[in-house]
Amino acid sequence: DTAVSQTPKYLVTQMGNDKSIKCEQNLGHDTMYWYKQDSKKFLKIMFSYNNKELIINETVPNRFSPKSPDKAHLNLHINSLELGDSAVYFCASSRDRAYNEQFFGPGTRLTVL
Amino acid sequence: AQKITQTQPGMFVQEKEAVTLDCTYDTSDQSYGLFWYKQPSSGEMIFLIYQGSYDEQNATEGRYSLNFQKARKSANLVISASQLGDSAMYFCAMREGGTGGFKTIFGAGTRLFVKA
Repeated sequence: DTAVSQTPKYLVTQMGNDKSIKCEQNLGHDTMYWYKQDSKKFLKIMFSYNNKELIINETVPNRFSPKSPDKAHLNLHINSLELGDSAVYFCASSRDRAYNEQFFGPGTRLTVL
Repeated sequence: AQKITQTQPGMFVQEKEAVTLDCTYDTSDQSYGLFWYKQPSSGEMIFLIYQGSYDEQNATEGRYSLNFQKARKSANLVISASQLGDSAMYFCAMREGGTGGFKTIFGAGTRLFVKA
């Protein structure tokens, strides 16, 4: 039973394309996140949703749009992909927005050519 | 300003020995949480240990313990009896309360190499 799953695991695409990454958690958690990990392994929060409500929206280009159809799902859509978007994107969830540990998905390695 | 500082980009330790990975943090909040995560070469992020700012005892989880020095704002991870499988990147993270918006901020990581 996978706690936090992401699809696809690998995504290779051309500049200018639009792509989506899906995330699902079966832990019954209220809060979900998207993180970007760059080539130097630096991990940065992008978005967070609590019970389908956007609560954290970092300085991310508006080409990135998260969508949470229900509290078990948080998808990330990226328009007009650029070379600099190449990274590993992690979805995560936590019981709530307070001081609980986050459970991470396996990551999606996005490569923009 | 860096909120989480991990000063050791890389560390070596002999198998079966203990190792301390350093982490200092910066916050003006009274209420916050400190976390350590492990990222093996396979890429997944694994939660290791948590310390709340009001916890008086240092957190321990199996071979992991967190050396929490609140006045010095440090939260070092101690791994006892290192194993080859401990070779990985280790990230220190902090979650601040209201003024921090409950964002989790990660340090740059320390890569640990365990030698046989």
